[in-house]
Amino acid sequence: DAGVTQSPTHLIKTRGQQVTLRCSPKSGHDTVSWYQQALGQGPQFIFQYYEEEERQRGNFPDRFSGHQFPNYSSELNVNALLLGDSALYLCASSLRGFGTEAFFGQGTRLTVV
Amino acid sequence: GQNIDQPTEMTATEGAIVQINCTYQTSGFNGLFWYQQHAGEAPTFLSYNVLDGLEEKGRFSSFLSRSKGYSYLLLKELQMKDSASYLCAPKGYGGATNKLIFGTGTLLAVQP
Repeated sequence: DAGVTQSPTHLIKTRGQQVTLRCSPKSGHDTVSWYQQALGQGPQFIFQYYEEEERQRGNFPDRFSGHQFPNYSSELNVNALLLGDSALYLCASSLRGFGTEAFFGQGTRLTVV
Repeated sequence: GQNIDQPTEMTATEGAIVQINCTYQTSGFNGLFWYQQHAGEAPTFLSYNVLDGLEEKGRFSSFLSRSKGYSYLLLKELQMKDSASYLCAPKGYGGATNKLIFGTGTLLAVQP
């Protein structure tokens, strides 16, 4: 039973470029949440997808967008990259409902230069 | 608003017991999670409390007091591999399910 998988594991981009990160949820899970974790900080909620729709969004600009596919996998897109977007991007999958834990992928380390 | 407060760093000795405290304020409350995160790795689930009281799981226990907005994680028989960041994450009502609000975490260093 595969857990949450993310790709790529590491990425280096230039300021102003665009990036797409991918996430496949744990088998049986239907909800995907994205988090940004800067060095020395806790993960910050970006947004959550369920039934192919964005259900809630954290305090992130419109440069951050996402998508969920019918197979529940998800993409995070970031446009016009800034140096401050350098972080570990974590995907968490869960089963929509009360009290179920969120399983995290290993993350994508994005470096913007 | 939402606010989570944990100590930034703690140091303990191998074989000892350590308690990591967390106080929180959230707009609605729907359970509290504790995660462990080793440097450069993803957070891994440790415990979940939704009712008041103590939940025990091996060397790890977690306590919750909803009326006080307070939780703690208790680690017994500390091992060197327990050196990691420990994240307290309450979950609020409404909107996204399983939207976890993380604090900055507590960096625990276990010394020989």
